[in-house]
Amino acid sequence: ETGVTQTPRHLVMGMTNKKSLKCEQHLGHNAMYWYKQSAKKPLELMFVYSLEERVENNSVPSRFSPECPNSSHLFLHLHTLQPEDSALYLCASSQDTGRGWSATNEKLFFGSGTQLSVL
Amino acid sequence: RKEVEQDPGPFNVPEGATVAFNCTYSNSASQSFFWYRQDCRKEPKLLMSVYSSGNEDGRFTAQLNRASQYISLLIRDSKLSDSATYLCVVKKAGANNLFFGTGTRLTVIP
Repeated sequence: ETGVTQTPRHLVMGMTNKKSLKCEQHLGHNAMYWYKQSAKKPLELMFVYSLEERVENNSVPSRFSPECPNSSHLFLHLHTLQPEDSALYLCASSQDTGRGWSATNEKLFFGSGTQLSVL
Repeated sequence: RKEVEQDPGPFNVPEGATVAFNCTYSNSASQSFFWYRQDCRKEPKLLMSVYSSGNEDGRFTAQLNRASQYISLLIRDSKLSDSATYLCVVKKAGANNLFFGTGTRLTVIP
């Protein structure tokens, strides 16, 4: 499936590096998300963009900086990360603005993720 | 208290067995409920939505108990390909956020 594509699949970076994760969705959805998945922890929502506006920022450190230039693309810029930031970073999209309720529109479609290792 | 709690398992069952997972949620305002499946080193994928009346999709049956705030997933006639982690997910109405459980690991043994 190529509905949501993420690059790179794997990334190793030092604590002083700057890198970016890229996500693109081909589903015509209006909301995009960044999630972090660490071992033995539930998926943690980092950021939500709805109609290209950031609507959620769940107390994420400033060393993570999202960018959503349009409804199909989402970036996560990484700078001076720490080893504890090593995790699987998942992008997702949905047809959901959060303004109403529709079970059909709340389904998340995930990209394959970026496995990040910070040395 | 966690928004969503699941037994992490692992559940190791033989092929053909019936297995059930439960999940509890803390927020009574939760409106939408889902089960996602995540294979090792892969992304989560929606398995099924959970409705108040319960719903069935082939060998999979999902139930919701609002009074007790729990959701269940029943898998009948387990297949080797059912081996995965099953994530319980809940959402409040009008909120752009899904709350995930840590997942329950299932291994179906030949």
